[in-house]
Amino acid sequence: DIQLTQSPSFLSASVGDRVTITCRASQGISSYLAWYQQKPGKAPKLLIYAASTLQSGVPSRFSGSGSGTEFTLTISSLQPEDFATYYCQQLNSYPRFGGGTKVEIK
Amino acid sequence: QITLKESGPTLVKPTQTLTLTCTFSGFSLSTSGVGVGWIRQPPGKALEWLALIYWDDDKRYSPSLKSRLTITKDTSKNQVVLTMTNMDPVDTATYYCAHRSMFPILDIFDYWGQGTLVTVSS
Repeated sequence: DIQLTQSPSFLSASVGDRVTITCRASQGISSYLAWYQQKPGKAPKLLIYAASTLQSGVPSRFSGSGSGTEFTLTISSLQPEDFATYYCQQLNSYPRFGGGTKVEIK
Repeated sequence: QITLKESGPTLVKPTQTLTLTCTFSGFSLSTSGVGVGWIRQPPGKALEWLALIYWDDDKRYSPSLKSRLTITKDTSKNQVVLTMTNMDPVDTATYYCAHRSMFPILDIFDYWGQGTLVTVSS
């Protein structure tokens, strides 16, 4: 049973900051990882799949990297609309989500 | 365009069975590769995947909830139904249905419904 651990669970940042969120898998999952953004009261939005491929329509300030057990989501220059909660999801065995990282305004 | 919408009771009593319907448009569950999943989110908590049904009627369930879940499809009505037995207050959550990605074909979810909040209380 593959567990996903996101860190930090909460971060405070300012507009323009570079932000990095980490997702660690308890076993290797190759590149079978996706990232989602969720704003309050809204459904999640797919940002990245296959660890580093940007979903169509997602701004290029979002990027993903990693393989095996350690993955990162980076926002190169945080914009006001990026304040949200971010989830990783592994799809190596069955779909499973991480615990989430809430990005708040500093 | 692809849309999905969840429907069902907003309040269920403990021990009752929950039945949720996902009505979708913009795709067909008879097309090879297509799938629809259910994901839930307790208030203030993380997402939890529940079940997934594929075009060929293959079904997958969360191991921790498998004994309580049943997912079915009605291709002619463009609907997917999830039933969850023996509901408990800890099952209080927003329940989402979502479209499985076709490009690429992976068990990720590129279109989501708006979600429906289900409260379990006597």
